[in-house]
Amino acid sequence: GAGVSQSPRYKVAKRGQDVALRCDPISGHVSLFWYQQALGQGPEFLTYFQNEAQLDKSGLPSDRFFAERPEGSVSTLKIQRTQQEDSAVYLCASSFGQPSYEQYFGPGTRLTVT
Amino acid sequence: SQQGEEDPQALSIQEGENATMNCSYKTSINNLQWYRQNSGRGLVHLILIRSNEREKHSGRLRVTLDTSKKSSSLLITASRAADTASYFCATDKAGRRALTFGSGTRLQVQP
Repeated sequence: GAGVSQSPRYKVAKRGQDVALRCDPISGHVSLFWYQQALGQGPEFLTYFQNEAQLDKSGLPSDRFFAERPEGSVSTLKIQRTQQEDSAVYLCASSFGQPSYEQYFGPGTRLTVT
Repeated sequence: SQQGEEDPQALSIQEGENATMNCSYKTSINNLQWYRQNSGRGLVHLILIRSNEREKHSGRLRVTLDTSKKSSSLLITASRAADTASYFCATDKAGRRALTFGSGTRLQVQP
């Protein structure tokens, strides 16, 4: 079946603009995760949903970052008033949920803030 | 912040040789996983080892886990050019689903 998809694949934003990144998880996956990956580094956790409930948002770097998953399927990560340090690849992953811990990753959205 | 370090940061070998990558982490874990990432693409899950396991095999992959040393190793046997990628270890803690990744090892397999 289809894997995790993300759109857009590439986004260039001017400093101060708002951006919205979309994630379509694998159908039936209960858990959804967002990660931020800087160049040459491993991914860093941002936030986690179980169905529509955001159970962990401890990794969001500031209140400019907001994520939602209103119907328990598609999720959107919104970044307000983008800054240069927000430039990174944003990865979405989904999982069946417990007891499975394996996560299935999308291709990511590369955000460049100029 | 990253959970730990992986070494080496980069590894270059010839096709057919074995590749060993190591991962160290800082806090108690529930599970440890290894993922592969090809350039410009998402991560692909390779293997998961639970904290009460010491060794696990999957095809050409062998993973060991030493919780007393807070370390793991990934061995790829009989490497192929297609194994060229970055490899990351990732841990999760009891009661928390988020994965904490290491900094990765970039593996280059020369044909």
